[in-house]
Amino acid sequence: DADVTQTPRNRITKTGKRIMLECSQTKGHDRMYWYRQDPGLGLRLIYYSFDVKDINKGEISDGYSVSRQAQAKFSLSLESAIPNQTALYFCATSDTRDGVFSGANVLTFGAGSRLTVL
Amino acid sequence: SQQGEEDPQALSIQEGENATMNCSYKTSINNLQWYRQNSGRGLVHLILIRSNEREKHSGRLRVTLDTSKKSSSLLITASRAADTASYFCATAFTGGGNKLTFGTGTQLKVEL
Repeated sequence: DADVTQTPRNRITKTGKRIMLECSQTKGHDRMYWYRQDPGLGLRLIYYSFDVKDINKGEISDGYSVSRQAQAKFSLSLESAIPNQTALYFCATSDTRDGVFSGANVLTFGAGSRLTVL
Repeated sequence: SQQGEEDPQALSIQEGENATMNCSYKTSINNLQWYRQNSGRGLVHLILIRSNEREKHSGRLRVTLDTSKKSSSLLITASRAADTASYFCATAFTGGGNKLTFGTGTQLKVEL
């Protein structure tokens, strides 16, 4: 099983629908992130969470919300999807206490969730 | 935006040749990382270089960092077709809580 699992992997929905993307991890990492990838724009940070009680907005949080249900679970919601939210979404985890990378922030990514909003 | 920028955007080489990608950024950093992404898949961490380091090696990868020029380069030696992927630099800005900001990526194609 993958260390970071995202569901669904693909989703097509219509404008105005509420969508939830889920992420679960087995790495025991304390930090979790949601990124969005658009062609030519790289990855942009939507929300991040340093622990269950600590959730922070990223670069492009408008139109999105998140929930950290447990240390291992971090979900991203689009309250009312719009076409320009069509993108590839990635969940990632990190643990700055992690061994040789201690003090740094090395990310482990999920396989991605491709969302299309019609 | 504090986003790093990679150069070139796309690179096509023959198997066995070396591939060099560059990354520039705007503000001081704690560390810089390189990630690889195979088409449409999740990113995979390749190598990390800290702000007090100038060069790191990992297998066929060599990363350099010039903090005075705010730039880094990734060299892949003796490239293989399996190296075909997109490569992203990511920077952890000083005072940014170690959050990573990704560049726009270099698409590398290695042809047989």
